[in-house]
Amino acid sequence: EAGVTQSPTHLIKTRGQQATLRCSPISGHTSVYWYQQALGLGLQFLLWYDEGEERNRGNFPPRFSGRQFPNYSSELNVNALELEDSALYLCASSLSGTGGETQYFGPGTRLLVL
Amino acid sequence: DAKTTQPTSMDCAEGRAANLPCNHSTISGNEYVYWYRQIHSQGPQYIIHGLKNNETNEMASLIITEDRKSSTLILPHATLRDTAVYYCIALYGATNKLIFGTGTLLAVQP
Repeated sequence: EAGVTQSPTHLIKTRGQQATLRCSPISGHTSVYWYQQALGLGLQFLLWYDEGEERNRGNFPPRFSGRQFPNYSSELNVNALELEDSALYLCASSLSGTGGETQYFGPGTRLLVL
Repeated sequence: DAKTTQPTSMDCAEGRAANLPCNHSTISGNEYVYWYRQIHSQGPQYIIHGLKNNETNEMASLIITEDRKSSTLILPHATLRDTAVYYCIALYGATNKLIFGTGTLLAVQP
């Protein structure tokens, strides 16, 4: 069974541009989560989508947004990129959005903002 | 969301059991204890989780104290490939937000 997949694996952008990152959850999973791992800051929760709806959001500015599609895949958009947005972006999925389901992570997208 | 406290680093000899402690003294009754590990900035790998009872799977065992204020992850026979940062997390189901601390860097020595 395929795990969580993310694309692209690497992305290079310049300041002010927009970045779009994609995630496909494990088959049968309806919840998708996004995390950011910036150098020296550790893993931080960004967003949680379940059944197409945003369920929870971390302490990030509105230029971080996303959506979940009917097939449960998800997209993370980062507008007006800043240098400090350079990080590893990790997507995770869980079977459902109820009661502390186990989250399984993908390999991540490494974003570099120049 | 309860905060967890872990030692910064630990060493373990290859083939020996690795016992990784975690303190979560403010955990609430409906927060799960989850363990993940991360190798070389790959995606975190799920290891095990529990609520009240001790748990065991093919990777590890999780021992949770009766008052739930601390837990220990046990890797029964550590190998060099177990060298990683291990994260202990208290997960509150309503938010489903994994709050990663700094974790424990486990170095398995040959």
